[in-house]
Amino acid sequence: GNSVTQMEGPVTLSEEAFLTINCTYTATGYPSLFWYVQYPGEGLQLLLKATKADDKGSNKGFEATYRKETTSFHLEKGSVQVSDSAVYFCALGGTSYGKLTFGQGTILTVHP
Amino acid sequence: GAGVSQSPSNKVTEKGKDVELRCDPISGHTALYWYRQSLGQGLEFLIYFQGNSAPDKSGLPSDRFSAERTGGSVSTLTIQRTQQEDSAVYLCASSHSSAGRVTYEQYFGPGTRLTVT
Repeated sequence: GNSVTQMEGPVTLSEEAFLTINCTYTATGYPSLFWYVQYPGEGLQLLLKATKADDKGSNKGFEATYRKETTSFHLEKGSVQVSDSAVYFCALGGTSYGKLTFGQGTILTVHP
Repeated sequence: GAGVSQSPSNKVTEKGKDVELRCDPISGHTALYWYRQSLGQGLEFLIYFQGNSAPDKSGLPSDRFSAERTGGSVSTLTIQRTQQEDSAVYLCASSHSSAGRVTYEQYFGPGTRLTVT
């Protein structure tokens, strides 16, 4: 079956540091890949997505590239802000229909 | 426009009681999903509705869980004879589908936090 393995946290960074959160997946077929973010006290929001190999999703300074050869979709940001503190979820979907399979989530805390 | 809404936002119930959780999807979205977010299990898929098709119930953890979607819009998740392990945040999401193919961009509601005492 489908599965997503996500870098364990929590991750603590200083403002303006570089961020990488690793995500690898196992799936049959050609899934779509997503990063969702959950800010404190809020619901899940789609951060970015990629629907085919070599696609790069980007939003709010975050990027992730769909790497089929390494079955990965690592999240990166060049310079994090305090406001980026949240829980980040890598997710896989679309091999048969829209059900999403989520990673365990990574807690990110950014200090001033 | 309005997003996905869920009610109640919090629910505390005694073990053995039944609970109903409600989800109002985004207008026009034909696909609706229920997920559960708990400390030990992360985010788990529970059930999926697509238009008038039979729902995919493959994620429901036991026969105490059921869900329905009336008129292709509002959905209710029912948990009978609640147990302490049912304590979690229950999330609803909806998405468009086009020509029978779901576009996979799901929009989530704020969730219902269920606590079983």
